[in-house]
Amino acid sequence: DVKVTQSSRYLVKRTGEKVFLECVQDMDHENMFWYRQDPGLGLRLIYFSYDVKMKEKGDIPEGYSVSREKKERFSLILESASTNQTSMYLCASSSDLRGTTNEKLFFGSGTQLSVL
Amino acid sequence: DQQVKQNSPSLSVQEGRISILNCDYTNSMFDYFLWYKKYPAEGPTFLISISSIKDKNEDGRFTVFLNKSAKHLSLHIVPSQPGDSAVYFCAASPLTGNQFYFGTGTSLTVIP
Repeated sequence: DVKVTQSSRYLVKRTGEKVFLECVQDMDHENMFWYRQDPGLGLRLIYFSYDVKMKEKGDIPEGYSVSREKKERFSLILESASTNQTSMYLCASSSDLRGTTNEKLFFGSGTQLSVL
Repeated sequence: DQQVKQNSPSLSVQEGRISILNCDYTNSMFDYFLWYKKYPAEGPTFLISISSIKDKNEDGRFTVFLNKSAKHLSLHIVPSQPGDSAVYFCAASPLTGNQFYFGTGTSLTVIP
Protein backbone atom coordinates (compact mmCIF):
# COMPACT_ATOMS: atom_id res chain seq x y z
CA ASP A 1 0.00 0.00 0.00
CA VAL A 2 1.11 3.51 -0.78
CA LYS A 3 1.86 5.46 2.32
CA VAL A 4 1.94 9.23 2.56
CA THR A 5 2.95 10.33 6.01
CA GLN A 6 2.51 13.80 7.42
CA SER A 7 4.63 14.53 10.46
CA SER A 8 1.93 16.08 12.65
CA ARG A 9 -1.83 15.52 12.97
CA TYR A 10 -2.43 18.68 14.99
CA LEU A 11 -0.30 21.78 15.31
CA VAL A 12 -0.84 25.03 17.20
CA LYS A 13 1.38 27.99 16.36
CA ARG A 14 1.52 31.70 17.13
CA THR A 15 1.14 34.49 14.59
CA GLY A 16 4.49 35.34 13.02
CA GLU A 17 6.11 31.98 13.68
CA LYS A 18 7.85 30.05 10.92
CA VAL A 19 6.06 26.73 10.45
CA PHE A 20 7.31 23.59 8.74
CA LEU A 21 4.94 20.86 7.58
CA GLU A 22 6.67 17.68 6.50
CA CYS A 23 5.46 14.98 4.14
CA VAL A 24 7.09 11.70 3.17
CA GLN A 25 5.90 9.13 0.62
CA ASP A 26 7.22 5.61 0.24
CA MET A 27 6.19 4.72 -3.33
CA ASP A 28 8.91 6.50 -5.29
CA HIS A 29 6.31 8.86 -6.78
CA GLU A 30 7.53 11.65 -8.99
CA ASN A 31 4.78 14.13 -8.16
CA MET A 32 3.97 15.63 -4.79
CA PHE A 33 1.36 18.20 -3.84
CA TRP A 34 0.27 20.40 -0.96
CA TYR A 35 -3.42 21.29 -0.61
CA ARG A 36 -5.40 23.08 2.05
CA GLN A 37 -8.99 22.24 2.84
CA ASP A 38 -11.39 24.84 4.15
CA PRO A 39 -15.17 24.54 4.67
CA GLY A 40 -17.07 25.60 1.56
CA LEU A 41 -13.89 25.98 -0.46
CA GLY A 42 -12.90 22.37 -1.03
CA LEU A 43 -9.29 21.43 -1.68
CA ARG A 44 -7.12 24.19 -3.03
CA LEU A 45 -3.65 23.57 -4.43
CA ILE A 46 -0.84 25.52 -2.80
CA TYR A 47 2.28 24.13 -4.47
CA PHE A 48 3.32 21.01 -6.33
CA SER A 49 6.53 19.40 -7.49
CA TYR A 50 7.29 17.12 -10.44
CA ASP A 51 10.83 16.31 -9.44
CA VAL A 52 13.54 16.89 -6.87
CA LYS A 53 14.39 20.58 -6.44
CA MET A 54 11.54 21.49 -8.74
CA LYS A 55 8.42 23.38 -7.66
CA GLU A 56 5.40 24.97 -9.26
CA LYS A 57 2.88 27.40 -7.80
CA GLY A 58 -0.66 26.22 -7.42
CA ASP A 59 -3.75 28.37 -7.03
CA ILE A 60 -2.94 29.92 -3.62
CA PRO A 61 0.85 30.08 -3.09
CA GLU A 62 0.94 33.43 -1.29
CA GLY A 63 2.46 33.16 2.18
CA TYR A 64 3.88 29.70 1.51
CA SER A 65 7.05 28.18 0.15
CA VAL A 66 8.12 24.58 -0.41
CA SER A 67 11.23 22.46 -0.47
CA ARG A 68 11.93 19.17 -2.21
CA GLU A 69 15.52 18.12 -1.57
CA LYS A 70 14.80 14.38 -1.83
CA LYS A 71 12.30 12.56 -4.02
CA GLU A 72 10.35 11.13 -1.10
CA ARG A 73 10.05 14.32 0.95
CA PHE A 74 8.09 17.49 0.28
CA SER A 75 7.99 20.26 2.87
CA LEU A 76 5.56 23.15 3.13
CA ILE A 77 6.84 26.28 4.86
CA LEU A 78 4.77 29.10 6.28
CA GLU A 79 7.33 31.90 6.46
CA SER A 80 5.34 33.99 8.95
CA ALA A 81 2.16 32.27 10.07
CA SER A 82 -1.06 34.26 10.07
CA THR A 83 -4.50 33.48 11.45
CA ASN A 84 -5.94 33.09 7.93
CA GLN A 85 -3.61 30.14 7.45
CA THR A 86 -5.52 28.14 10.04
CA SER A 87 -6.64 25.17 8.00
CA MET A 88 -6.37 21.45 7.30
CA TYR A 89 -3.24 20.84 5.21
CA LEU A 90 -3.12 17.77 3.00
CA CYS A 91 -0.09 16.33 1.27
CA ALA A 92 -0.50 14.02 -1.72
CA SER A 93 1.64 12.13 -4.19
CA SER A 94 1.13 10.49 -7.57
CA SER A 95 3.17 8.58 -10.09
CA ASP A 96 3.87 9.92 -13.54
CA LEU A 97 1.48 7.75 -15.52
CA ARG A 98 -0.12 10.20 -17.95
CA GLY A 99 -2.05 8.38 -20.58
CA THR A 100 -3.15 5.57 -18.31
CA THR A 101 -6.13 5.26 -16.03
CA ASN A 102 -3.99 4.32 -13.07
CA GLU A 103 -2.95 7.79 -12.13
CA LYS A 104 -4.50 9.07 -8.95
CA LEU A 105 -3.52 11.07 -5.90
CA PHE A 106 -2.68 9.36 -2.65
CA PHE A 107 -3.24 11.58 0.36
CA GLY A 108 -1.75 11.75 3.81
CA SER A 109 -3.96 11.98 6.90
CA GLY A 110 -3.67 15.74 7.05
CA THR A 111 -2.35 18.28 9.53
CA GLN A 112 -4.87 20.51 11.27
CA LEU A 113 -2.98 23.76 11.84
CA SER A 114 -4.27 26.42 14.18
CA VAL A 115 -2.57 29.81 14.15
CA LEU A 116 -3.38 31.91 17.23
CA ASP B 1 -12.45 30.73 -10.80
CA GLN B 2 -13.75 27.32 -9.79
CA GLN B 3 -13.28 24.94 -12.70
CA VAL B 4 -14.92 22.02 -10.90
CA LYS B 5 -18.19 22.65 -9.10
CA GLN B 6 -20.29 20.67 -6.70
CA ASN B 7 -23.41 22.73 -6.24
CA SER B 8 -24.94 20.66 -3.44
CA PRO B 9 -23.05 21.20 -0.17
CA SER B 10 -25.02 18.44 1.53
CA LEU B 11 -27.26 15.47 0.85
CA SER B 12 -29.28 13.19 3.14
CA VAL B 13 -30.45 9.76 2.05
CA GLN B 14 -32.17 6.85 3.75
CA GLU B 15 -30.18 3.67 4.20
CA GLY B 16 -30.76 1.31 1.29
CA ARG B 17 -31.75 4.03 -1.15
CA ILE B 18 -29.69 5.52 -3.95
CA SER B 19 -27.34 8.46 -3.35
CA ILE B 20 -26.59 10.65 -6.36
CA LEU B 21 -23.79 13.19 -6.10
CA ASN B 22 -23.28 15.64 -8.92
CA CYS B 23 -20.30 17.51 -10.31
CA ASP B 24 -19.93 20.01 -13.16
CA TYR B 25 -16.78 21.25 -14.83
CA THR B 26 -16.00 24.10 -17.18
CA ASN B 27 -12.67 23.17 -18.78
CA SER B 28 -13.07 21.09 -21.95
CA MET B 29 -9.42 20.01 -21.62
CA PHE B 30 -10.28 17.82 -18.64
CA ASP B 31 -10.13 14.18 -19.66
CA TYR B 32 -9.82 12.21 -16.43
CA PHE B 33 -12.17 12.41 -13.49
CA LEU B 34 -12.02 10.99 -9.98
CA TRP B 35 -14.17 10.78 -6.87
CA TYR B 36 -12.66 10.89 -3.39
CA LYS B 37 -14.27 10.20 -0.05
CA LYS B 38 -13.18 11.98 3.10
CA TYR B 39 -13.96 11.28 6.74
CA PRO B 40 -13.36 14.00 9.35
CA ALA B 41 -9.73 14.34 10.47
CA GLU B 42 -8.55 11.97 7.74
CA GLY B 43 -7.10 12.43 4.28
CA PRO B 44 -9.27 11.82 1.21
CA THR B 45 -9.26 8.28 -0.14
CA PHE B 46 -9.72 7.37 -3.78
CA LEU B 47 -13.09 5.91 -4.66
CA ILE B 48 -13.53 5.58 -8.40
CA SER B 49 -12.35 7.21 -11.63
CA ILE B 50 -13.41 7.55 -15.25
CA SER B 51 -11.59 8.46 -18.41
CA SER B 52 -13.22 10.70 -21.01
CA ILE B 53 -13.29 7.81 -23.51
CA LYS B 54 -15.95 6.17 -21.34
CA ASP B 55 -19.36 7.31 -20.17
CA LYS B 56 -19.73 4.88 -17.27
CA ASN B 57 -17.52 3.07 -14.81
CA GLU B 58 -18.74 0.73 -12.12
CA ASP B 59 -17.10 -0.67 -8.99
CA GLY B 60 -19.38 -2.58 -6.66
CA ARG B 61 -21.96 -0.22 -5.19
CA PHE B 62 -20.35 2.81 -6.84
CA THR B 63 -20.96 3.94 -10.42
CA VAL B 64 -19.69 7.10 -12.06
CA PHE B 65 -21.42 8.53 -15.13
CA LEU B 66 -19.81 11.05 -17.44
CA ASN B 67 -21.70 13.31 -19.85
CA LYS B 68 -19.00 15.11 -21.82
CA SER B 69 -21.36 17.27 -23.85
CA ALA B 70 -22.91 18.62 -20.65
CA LYS B 71 -19.56 18.68 -18.81
CA HIS B 72 -21.24 16.80 -16.00
CA LEU B 73 -20.45 13.74 -13.97
CA SER B 74 -22.31 11.99 -11.22
CA LEU B 75 -21.58 9.36 -8.60
CA HIS B 76 -24.29 6.84 -7.77
CA ILE B 77 -24.13 4.79 -4.59
CA VAL B 78 -26.56 1.88 -4.45
CA PRO B 79 -27.56 0.80 -1.88
CA SER B 80 -26.42 3.56 0.46
CA GLN B 81 -25.05 2.50 3.84
CA PRO B 82 -24.46 4.51 7.04
CA GLY B 83 -20.69 4.00 6.58
CA ASP B 84 -20.94 5.98 3.34
CA SER B 85 -21.58 9.13 5.36
CA ALA B 86 -18.62 11.35 4.47
CA VAL B 87 -17.65 14.31 2.31
CA TYR B 88 -17.27 13.43 -1.35
CA PHE B 89 -15.01 15.41 -3.66
CA CYS B 90 -14.90 15.17 -7.41
CA ALA B 91 -11.66 16.01 -9.17
CA ALA B 92 -10.59 16.52 -12.76
CA SER B 93 -7.29 16.42 -14.58
CA PRO B 94 -6.34 17.67 -18.04
CA LEU B 95 -4.70 15.59 -20.76
CA THR B 96 -1.46 17.54 -20.38
CA GLY B 97 0.03 18.11 -16.97
CA ASN B 98 -0.37 16.30 -13.69
CA GLN B 99 -2.50 18.81 -11.83
CA PHE B 100 -5.82 17.84 -10.26
CA TYR B 101 -8.66 20.30 -9.75
CA PHE B 102 -11.12 19.60 -6.93
CA GLY B 103 -14.71 20.59 -6.32
CA THR B 104 -15.91 22.04 -3.02
CA GLY B 105 -17.32 18.75 -1.78
CA THR B 106 -20.74 17.32 -0.90
CA SER B 107 -21.40 16.07 2.59
CA LEU B 108 -23.44 12.87 2.41
CA THR B 109 -25.42 11.65 5.40
CA VAL B 110 -26.97 8.20 5.19
CA ILE B 111 -29.74 7.86 7.75
CA PRO B 112 -30.18 4.39 9.28
